[in-house]
Amino acid sequence: GALVYQYPRRTICKSGTSMRMECQAVGFQATSVAWYRQSPQKTFELIALSTVNSAIKYEQNFTQEKFPISHPNLSFSSMTVLNAYLEDRGLYLCGARGSAETLYFGSGTRLTVL
Amino acid sequence: TQTVSQSDAHVTVFEGDSVELRCNYSYGGSIYLSWYIQHHGRGLQFLLKYYSGNPVVQGVNGFEAEFSKSDSSFHLRKASVHWSDSAVYFCAVSERGSNAKLTFGKGTKLSVKS
Repeated sequence: GALVYQYPRRTICKSGTSMRMECQAVGFQATSVAWYRQSPQKTFELIALSTVNSAIKYEQNFTQEKFPISHPNLSFSSMTVLNAYLEDRGLYLCGARGSAETLYFGSGTRLTVL
Repeated sequence: TQTVSQSDAHVTVFEGDSVELRCNYSYGGSIYLSWYIQHHGRGLQFLLKYYSGNPVVQGVNGFEAEFSKSDSSFHLRKASVHWSDSAVYFCAVSERGSNAKLTFGKGTKLSVKS
């Protein structure tokens, strides 16, 4: 089956520091990867959509300078939260899409900022 | 612009009851609709999706959903719920295509009492 692994599961960082999260697709080729953030109020915000060998498309209010993403192959993607502050806290979800167009999600990386 | 509306923020039922979680969407183009489940503190688990054909689609754990173009709806149903079905359920809509953005509803929290 199609599985998506995300790590770390949770992380705590000091305000102003950065943290990197990784996403691994297993059992299928992830032609595109979407990074979402789920706020404490449970709503989802799309951060960016990445397709292998294409430019990464960031949504409004999210930038490459703040959330640089790497998507080097069909099974791996990573995203860094630079200079994290309180408003960056939440559950970061990686969704990977294969040929069937279904978006499969990992278990998320919960970011706490002190 | 795609929108997804889940009118019920919270639904409470007893174990063994049937349940219907409502989802309405607005979008004029070719789309596919999905349901995801999120247990407390966890990531998103894919339940089922519809993009064409039989409007009733079967998912995991006895869930099914019915697409209605006339009502712009994609309600999720289960004939007999178990306490382990307690979770938040998210309806999502996406355009067709590997670069498409998935738009989520605000979620419906299902509480199953024993």
